[in-house]
Parts: sequence; structure tokens; C-alpha cells
Amino acid sequence: AQSVAQPEDQVNVAEGNPLTVKCTYSVSGNPYLFWYVQYPNRGLQFLLKYITGDNLVKGSYGFEAEFNKSQTSFHLKKPSALVSDSALYFCAVRDRGSTLGRLYFGRGTQLTVWP
Amino acid sequence: DTAVSQTPKYLVTQMGNDKSIKCEQNLGHDTMYWYKQDSKKFLKIMFSYNNKELIINETVPNRFSPKSPDKAHLNLHINSLELGDSAVYFCASLPQGTNTGELFFGEGSRLTVL
Repeated sequence: AQSVAQPEDQVNVAEGNPLTVKCTYSVSGNPYLFWYVQYPNRGLQFLLKYITGDNLVKGSYGFEAEFNKSQTSFHLKKPSALVSDSALYFCAVRDRGSTLGRLYFGRGTQLTVWP
Repeated sequence: DTAVSQTPKYLVTQMGNDKSIKCEQNLGHDTMYWYKQDSKKFLKIMFSYNNKELIINETVPNRFSPKSPDKAHLNLHINSLELGDSAVYFCASLPQGTNTGELFFGEGSRLTVL
């Protein structure tokens, strides 16, 4: 069974500091991994994905994520946080063999960046 | 132009009523989804249609019935609304022919059942 864990409900960082939002996964095969961001009262917006190749993927708004197969993790990172990064972040996984395109989402991590 | 649009954005209704939420995508995608986001922000897939055919039907009460008149539209009808149906419902679509693609989400429809 596929599952995604985001171990932190909340992450707080000061503006200008690096941020990390953690994600670990459990899938039956090699996964495709995604990060989405949700601003208040908005839909989910795609940030980045890992499909294959370089373990470090870069996405929108200066975010990046590192795929670590041995640790089954896909942590989201940004070198310097902005107040405007404050939002709800979702990690998601799709089984590589899936024909249905279903994404399994983590429970979300609320990121707060204070000035 | 909005890629995935949902109407209405807000819906307040009484228990026992029947209501519908509509979704349209202008991306040319073949696959569409309904997700439910509860009060704790947890996202759970409900249904998926591929080119008007139902392909995913999670354990959802029979009161929920999706309908896809064409591949650009996926509507959600809910009968006999209950308090627990209060949530934000998101429509999403996926580019055809790939499972590496990302989902494109609508802005959500917030349903409040009183």
C-alpha cells in the first residue's frame, strides 16, 4: 500500500533562514514524488516533482527537494525563507506502475515564516 | 483563463438537501478527479473519470454521485446532505497518456451543511 508521511504538522522559521519540510513515503515500487503548496482559501499548486535522474530537483519559487531512495524521503527545502512562503505544503506519491494517475497525499505541513 | 474551474465556490445548505458542484477544465486533459479536504486539511480521493468513464471509486457513500457529460466536465451530486459532508471539495485534472504528470487543481468548493 502506498502512503506518505509528513512528520511535522507545523514548521516555523525566521525570514532569511533555510527551511526544510520533511516527507517520507512507502510504496510498493519506485515512486513518482510531488510537492504541492496551498495558500489560504486556494487550490493546490504544483511546486516540483521527482520522476527520474538527478536526485535534487528544483521547482517554483526557489524551492528544491532531494530524493533519497535509501531513506525513502523527499524533503522540501529552500535556502532562504520568505514571509510569503507561509502556506500549507503537501507531499504526494504516485506508484510508478499506476495506470490511474492516483496521487496519495500526506497530511500536510503548515509552514510559517515570521519577519 | 482559469484552467480548472469549479462552481460554486461556496455552498451553504441544510441537512437533507441535495446539491451539485460543477467542474470544468479547458486543458484538454482526459482524466479528472474529485478530492475531499476535511477540516484537518487531509486530502482524500473520491472519484476519477478517464474520458467519461469511471476509473476510481473510493469508499464513498452512495449519496455521492459523479457525472461526466464529456471529458472536460466532471460534476459531483450529493443527495441527502449530512453534517459530515461539510468540507472543501477539489476538482483536478491530469494530462493524458502519462502517470508522470502533475495534477492541476481547481480553487475548491467549500460546502457547509447546517
